[in-house]
Amino acid sequence: DIQMTQSPSSLSASIGDRVTITCRASQDISNYLAWFQQKPGKPPKSLIYGASTLQGGVPSKFSGSGSGTDFTLTISSLESEDFATYYCQQYYNYPYSFGQGTKLEIK
Amino acid sequence: QVQLVESGGGVVQPGRSLRLSCAASGFSFNVNSMHWVRQAPGKGPEWVAFISSDGTNQYYADSVKGRFTISRDTSKNTLYLQMNSLRDEDTAIYHCARAAYLDVWGKGTTVTVSS
Repeated sequence: DIQMTQSPSSLSASIGDRVTITCRASQDISNYLAWFQQKPGKPPKSLIYGASTLQGGVPSKFSGSGSGTDFTLTISSLESEDFATYYCQQYYNYPYSFGQGTKLEIK
Repeated sequence: QVQLVESGGGVVQPGRSLRLSCAASGFSFNVNSMHWVRQAPGKGPEWVAFISSDGTNQYYADSVKGRFTISRDTSKNTLYLQMNSLRDEDTAIYHCARAAYLDVWGKGTTVTVSS
């Protein structure tokens, strides 16, 4: 099974900051990597698939990059609604697996 | 609009069964693969099961293999999860999600396994 490891587990940042979250796969997953945002009491929301393709309606301040085993999610110019928990997930093969999450908090 | 609405959750004793449903609307259900994903209290998402668009292929997480069965009824635009031999650790919110990269999620239905 493929293990997904995110870093950091938590991150404190200010409005207007640029932040980067890293996700590492335990084996090559090509670009079969998705990113999700989750707010309390809500289901995860798809942000990015194919490592770098934004879902429709997702603002361009979100960007993803990487291929193989190493991936990043970058949020430029943080706004209040961006403070949430972010998960990466591989869909290269079954069983699908998620990272443990990165909680982004306001400094 | 594209929508997934889960139902069927509840409180159940260990060892008992429950069937969850996911009603799909606003898209072509019959050409989309579907998944169940669960989230235990305070934990991250855990993928549970997959079914192909035509229903011929299914995959399961090891934690539920042999106990859970995923199925679909295209005539009703509905996805199901039959859960047998439930355990305390199956307690979670269960979401259905669409397609390979889980682009649409339902709000979920809560399953609590407790004696």
